[in-house]
Amino acid sequence: DAGVIQSPRHEVTEMGQEVTLRCKPISGHNSLFWYRQTMMRGLELLIYFNNNVPIDDSGMPEDRFSAKMPNASFSTLKIQPSEPRDSAVYFCASSLGPGQGYTGELFFGEGSRLTVL
Amino acid sequence: DAKTTQPNSMESNEEEPVHLPCNHSTISGTDYIHWYRQLPSQGPEYVIHGLTSNVNNRMASLAIAEDRKSSTLILHRATLRDAAVYYCILRDRANQAGTALIFGKGTTLSVSS
Repeated sequence: DAGVIQSPRHEVTEMGQEVTLRCKPISGHNSLFWYRQTMMRGLELLIYFNNNVPIDDSGMPEDRFSAKMPNASFSTLKIQPSEPRDSAVYFCASSLGPGQGYTGELFFGEGSRLTVL
Repeated sequence: DAKTTQPNSMESNEEEPVHLPCNHSTISGTDYIHWYRQLPSQGPEYVIHGLTSNVNNRMASLAIAEDRKSSTLILHRATLRDAAVYYCILRDRANQAGTALIFGKGTTLSVSS
């Protein structure tokens, strides 16, 4: 299996621009997670989905952030408009979901490093 | 989820065992103890998890105190590749699959040759 695939790996943009980060979870995994990591705040959960349905988006910073999962093999995290404080590494992770059997293991992608100038 | 406490950093020499402690005094009876690590410039990766009994796998061992208020991740022979941030996380068994992990600050392990 190719693992969790994220794109782009690196993104540099200017303040005010729209940013779209993409994630392809491991095939067969029904849960998908978006995290953000900065030096100051560490690794923060933004939102997660079970069976394509958002379960908890309480970590989404503000209305400028939105996430979608239109099908089981694709998710996007969008920031519009972007601000310099959004600069971070954004990780996507997937795991087996409810009803798929017990597991504690999340599989993370390599991350998308976002720089907003 | 209950809170865990870990030292900010630890140092080790290559080829020596490393014991990474984690305190979780408010752990509930159904909380599983999970360990993840994050190598430089990579996403976190699963290391090991357990409930009450000690656990071993190819990466590490997990020693859980009898009262479950603390645990220790054991790397039997540290290598340079083990230099990473190690996270100890509690997760309610009732919500295991399909629930998120909440990461703390973790312990930054440095390994010297």
